[in-house]
Amino acid sequence: SYELTQPPSVSVSPGQTARITCSGDALPKRYAYWYQQKSGRAPVLVIYEDIKRPSGIPERFSGSSSGTMATLTISGAQVGDEADYYCYSTDSSGDLRVFGGGTKLTVL
Amino acid sequence: QITLKESGPTLVKPTQTLTLTCTFSGFSLSTSGMGVGWIRQPPGKALEWLTVIFWDDNKRYSPSLKSRLTITKGTAKNQVVLTMTNMDPVDTATYYCAHTLRFGGYESIDYWGQGTLVTVSS
Repeated sequence: SYELTQPPSVSVSPGQTARITCSGDALPKRYAYWYQQKSGRAPVLVIYEDIKRPSGIPERFSGSSSGTMATLTISGAQVGDEADYYCYSTDSSGDLRVFGGGTKLTVL
Repeated sequence: QITLKESGPTLVKPTQTLTLTCTFSGFSLSTSGMGVGWIRQPPGKALEWLTVIFWDDNKRYSPSLKSRLTITKGTAKNQVVLTMTNMDPVDTATYYCAHTLRFGGYESIDYWGQGTLVTVSS
């Protein structure tokens, strides 16, 4: 089996920087993807291939990866960014596809 | 513009087989690199990846559910069908279908359907 580990919750004040981490043994070799899921809604891709931002996603969302940890950074977090955030990746062989346990971001 | 929508029963009984259909537009499942996958989410819990089918009919399954899952291309060119056998109350979840792009050994889940809540109860 393969696991991606995220902190259950992160809390910041409006305007501060929120950092959400995702830890996995295969992350040095495999890309991380990040999804935002607001209450009652389907997930939305906010970062792909570790650092790339889809069109329409605000510039305050950025991604990075170093060693076995990927990080989603939200600069100048807004109340509207409150959501659950999930990372997604695969094991080193690419055969096992997993989501992290999710991180609830609170901005208040 | 890529869109996907799930359809199927909202309530199934324990031991029954669940059949869900994903109807999509904005891409062709005959085009190299294209795929459609299924992900589920029990109420209040995390996302769980289930299965994916690609343009070349290559299929992948979650090892823990492989014996119960089947994914196929539908009779209509813009549909994918998921079947899950021997349903149990723990399978109660919102089931999402999603566009999966495969390239260079990597896969990106980029567009999601709105999801459909399936409840397993007698």
